[in-house]
Amino acid sequence: TQLLEQSPQFLSIQEGENLTVYCNSSSVFSSLQWYRQEPGEGPVLLVTVVTGGEVKKLKRLTFQFGDARKDSSLHITAAQPGDTGLYLCAGAYTSGSRLTFGEGTQLTVNP
Amino acid sequence: EPEVTQTPSHQVTQMGQEVILRCVPISNHLYFYWYRQILGQKVEFLVSFYNNEISEKSEIFDDQFSVERPDGSNFTLKIRSTKLEDSAMYFCASSKRQGLNTEAFFGQGTRLTVV
Repeated sequence: TQLLEQSPQFLSIQEGENLTVYCNSSSVFSSLQWYRQEPGEGPVLLVTVVTGGEVKKLKRLTFQFGDARKDSSLHITAAQPGDTGLYLCAGAYTSGSRLTFGEGTQLTVNP
Repeated sequence: EPEVTQTPSHQVTQMGQEVILRCVPISNHLYFYWYRQILGQKVEFLVSFYNNEISEKSEIFDDQFSVERPDGSNFTLKIRSTKLEDSAMYFCASSKRQGLNTEAFFGQGTRLTVV
C-alpha cells in the first residue's frame, strides 16, 4: 500500500507568521497536487507539481517538489485568517492515474 | 469558471436501499472519478472511468458499486444495497488527461447518510 504522510496534522499560528507543511512518501510520484478543503466541501486544487526540484508560487504560497519526487512542501508567508483550512497533498504514482491523498494539515490562523 | 456539479448535496437512505449519486463533470474533460471521505478520515479513491469503461478501481469498489455515463453529460455512482459503513462524503472529479500532471477538479460532494 502506497502511503503519503503529511505533517504536522494540526497547526495553529498567529496572523503574520510563516509556516511550512510537509508531504512525504517512500514512493516516487509522477505528479503531486495540493488542495485546500473547507468543511463540508470538496477539495479545491491549488497547484500541480511535476518536475523534481520544481518550485511554484501562488501569491503568498510557495510549493516545492523534492528532487527525487518523493516529497513536497507548502510554505505560507505572512499567514492570514483567510488561510485557515485543511490542506491536502495528493500524489499520482507512475502505476496509474488515481490520486492518493494524505491525511491533511488543519491550519488555523488566529487574528 | 467551469466546475464539477453534484446532486443531491445530501442523501439519507435506509440500509439495504439503492442510491444513485449524480455528477456533471467539466464539459471538455475526458476522465472521471469517484472518491469518498468518511468523516474524519482521508479522501479515498474509488474508481476512474474513461471512454465509457472503468479504467481503474480500488478494493473499496466491490460488486455493490457501479458507475455509468448514461448520456453525454452525467456520470453516476450507484450503490446497490447500502450499508451503514457506506455513510460518507462522495466526491466526483474530472480531468482532461491521465497519468503525468493529472489535475483533478472536484465537485462539492454528496453527503450520504445510511440509517
